[in-house]
Amino acid sequence: DAGVTQSPTHLIKTRGQHVTLRCSPISGHKSVSWYQQVLGQGPQFIFQYYEKEERGRGNFPDRFSARQFPNYSSELNVNALLLGDSALYLCASSLVGSEQFFGPGTRLTVL
Amino acid sequence: GQQVMQIPQYQHVQEGEDFTTYCNSSTTLSNIQWYKQRPGGHPVFLIQLVKSGEVKKQKRLTFQFGEAKKNSSLHITATQTTDVGTYFCASMNYGGSQGNLIFGKGTKLSVKP
Repeated sequence: DAGVTQSPTHLIKTRGQHVTLRCSPISGHKSVSWYQQVLGQGPQFIFQYYEKEERGRGNFPDRFSARQFPNYSSELNVNALLLGDSALYLCASSLVGSEQFFGPGTRLTVL
Repeated sequence: GQQVMQIPQYQHVQEGEDFTTYCNSSTTLSNIQWYKQRPGGHPVFLIQLVKSGEVKKQKRLTFQFGEAKKNSSLHITATQTTDVGTYFCASMNYGGSQGNLIFGKGTKLSVKP
């Protein structure tokens, strides 16, 4: 079975631009979470979606938004990019109440 | 807000030496999970502890959850070069669910052959 997949793997943007990151969960997993990992730090929770509804939001500005589709895939959108948004963006999927399986991440660089 | 503090930040060991990383919280944790992230990789789930005083072993790895459920540790016996990576503890965010985790800053382990 395929694991969690994310696209693109790498992305370079300039300040003020918008970015969309995509995630496909493991088949059968209905919960998808997004995390931001800055170099040298632990992942920081951004959003959780379950059954297409937002179930949790971390301490991130409104420039960050996400959604989950009927097939349980998910998109993370970031508007008006700042230099500080440069990070590894991780998607994780899980069954209800079980461990999270992380994807390989999208490395975003904002210049 | 809820935080999990992890020490040490870095640990350099000779192959064959033991390694321990500690995770602490000022609040009672519902559970604690441990993840390993290899250089350039993504976090991989190792284990979850739920019960007070729980101890679990995976080959050379021993995981403990404190009696007060405010601290946890991961101990590796006789480290190998394959143990290299950053080890994170994480706990479910208060009022959240398994998909909403608070991570520690991690302990980066390097192993000299």
